[in-house]
Amino acid sequence: AQTVTQSQPEMSVQEAETVTLSCTYDTSESDYYLFWYKQPPSRQMILVIRQEAYKQQNATENRFSVNFQKAAKSFSLKISDSQLGDAAMYFCAYRGNAGNMLTFGGGTRLMVKP
Amino acid sequence: EPEVTQTPSHQVTQMGQEVILRCVPISNHLYFYWYRQILGQKVEFLVSFYNNEISEKSEIFDDQFSVERPDGSNFTLKIRSTKLEDSAMYFCASSGTDQETQYFGPGTRLLVL
Repeated sequence: AQTVTQSQPEMSVQEAETVTLSCTYDTSESDYYLFWYKQPPSRQMILVIRQEAYKQQNATENRFSVNFQKAAKSFSLKISDSQLGDAAMYFCAYRGNAGNMLTFGGGTRLMVKP
Repeated sequence: EPEVTQTPSHQVTQMGQEVILRCVPISNHLYFYWYRQILGQKVEFLVSFYNNEISEKSEIFDDQFSVERPDGSNFTLKIRSTKLEDSAMYFCASSGTDQETQYFGPGTRLLVL
């Protein structure tokens, strides 16, 4: 079974600075998808970014980018120019090619200091 | 921008009662999902649904649970006889023909007393 691990329960960053959230996963599949979701205090899960494992290029969405290291099974999220609105729980998630279910990590709580 | 909606936002029920959680997926999506998140824990997959039948389910999704798409827009999760441990946030999600990205609703917070 696939597992997703987020080793940082909490992180903090100064407003306008850059922060990196870590995620590692375990799988025997070669094709899969990885996601970062944001969960603000309102509790809604919001998609931040996704990465297809067959793509070597790291995904980027505005201030959010990933560092995808397939061999190391690592998928970190970098947030540049952090804003107060970035404060939330961030979940890394894995979806294999065979099924539809998402497997989530335990989450990282990001605090942004003004 | 289209989004997944869920009702109610909060529900309080007595142990042993039946509850129905409702979801309206994004209109052109074909794949539907339920997840739950017990307070302070990981988000856990419950079930996926496609073409009017369950395509995948987890060990959590036992006989107490059922899903249905009663009409062209709603997708429901029924818990027949609620237990204290069913207290959680329940998220509905949907995805389109590519199945790759799941879009989540705002969740229903269920409290079983």
